[in-house]
Amino acid sequence: DTEVTQTPKHLVMGMTNKKSLKCEQHMGHRAMYWYKQKAKKPPELMFVYSYEKLSINESVPSRFSPECPNSSLLNLHLHALQPEDSALYLCASSQGHEQFFGPGTRLTVL
Amino acid sequence: AQTVTQSQPEMSVQEAETVTLSCTYDTSESDYYLFWYKQPPSRQMILVIRQEAYKQQNATENRFSVNFQKAAKSFSLKISDSQLGDAAMYFCAYETNSLGGSQGNLIFGKGTKLSVKP
Repeated sequence: DTEVTQTPKHLVMGMTNKKSLKCEQHMGHRAMYWYKQKAKKPPELMFVYSYEKLSINESVPSRFSPECPNSSLLNLHLHALQPEDSALYLCASSQGHEQFFGPGTRLTVL
Repeated sequence: AQTVTQSQPEMSVQEAETVTLSCTYDTSESDYYLFWYKQPPSRQMILVIRQEAYKQQNATENRFSVNFQKAAKSFSLKISDSQLGDAAMYFCAYETNSLGGSQGNLIFGKGTKLSVKP
């Protein structure tokens, strides 16, 4: 299995909702990432988990809460988001110097 | 801080022709990795090719090859025999090797949108 999967593909939520994005990989990679990508822009790094521990938080607002329950799974919990948080959220994993990206979750905040 | 610059927001190529996408970067490090990623409208980022800075030989992957000029800090991507499926946004990216492994320090350029005309 050489892929990163993400669910859901699309998500629409109100500003008072709580939702979660899920990412999974079975390549044995020990580093996992969350990126945010706005239209026609490059991905922006949000969080990095290394060996299931949060190693990088790029000053992301607390309304985004990452979680790494095990080495294969990465979640991003969302609460009280703003319309400007609407974007494509990409998950990636790596072992060494190559990141494998998932297909992303298209998030719309109303 | 490292920066990556892609000076061509959009490029167009005729099917079966060759096109070159430009990328320059700025760094004071001597050991690093460079990548080209492709992102088609389907959204998934796909690694096209990578280059290790300490290797002088230019990387090639089938129809894709790079021209890596370390002194000039230039890393261009050449696509030969362009196909309709090559149409996508292409991102050049830099990663330091100082941490001994990927730690999320991928620095992306702004991207070049490539169109392929039949």
